[in-house]
Amino acid sequence: EPEVTQTPSHQVTQMGQEVILRCVPISNHLYFYWYRQILGQKVEFLVSFYNNEISEKSEIFDDQFSVERPDGSNFTLKIRSTKLEDSAMYFCASSVLQGAYGYTFGSGTRLTVV
Amino acid sequence: GDSVTQMEGPVTLSEEAFLTINCTYTATGYPSLFWYVQYPGEGLQLLLKATKADDKGSNKGFEATYRKETTSFHLEKGSVQVSDSAVYFCALSQAGTALIFGKGTTLSVSS
Repeated sequence: EPEVTQTPSHQVTQMGQEVILRCVPISNHLYFYWYRQILGQKVEFLVSFYNNEISEKSEIFDDQFSVERPDGSNFTLKIRSTKLEDSAMYFCASSVLQGAYGYTFGSGTRLTVV
Repeated sequence: GDSVTQMEGPVTLSEEAFLTINCTYTATGYPSLFWYVQYPGEGLQLLLKATKADDKGSNKGFEATYRKETTSFHLEKGSVQVSDSAVYFCALSQAGTALIFGKGTTLSVSS
């Protein structure tokens, strides 16, 4: 069964450093998403991406965040200057159609900012 | 704004026990409702969904009914197994937009 692959599974970074979280969506999917879950809190929507541009983003997705599909295969989330409160599990997802019906999620990247 | 509230966990049950995980929502309009499951070390998997009032979603012995009058979508299973141990997330989506999740409920089943 096709999978969404996320790397790394765990990343530790120093406050103020840039991090890039990587995702390989399912090959025939057209819509891509990032969600995050701070420990003990809700899974929160960050951003959706379609046709090489952001289609929707939440209040969390401020100027410190950016997304890119650099090579038609990978889908990345960059945090420019990490803060302690960015520590969370970050989930990537993809879907054929827009919306929730056909999301496939990756296993997540646990980001720890120290 | 729209929101989802789940019962606090963890829920600890013996094998073959009956499971209920409560979920209520606040939303304008008529959202679609979902249950996702996360097994240890894995991603979020869609367990079941319902798109309109009185719909019943079901999968792998789990069921949930979309109750508009009580704004609820409680997850039930008649007889849980050790392999059902996981984190369960209730979620809603309006008109194909981003999923809004609850906090998740950890289920632990012992033999």
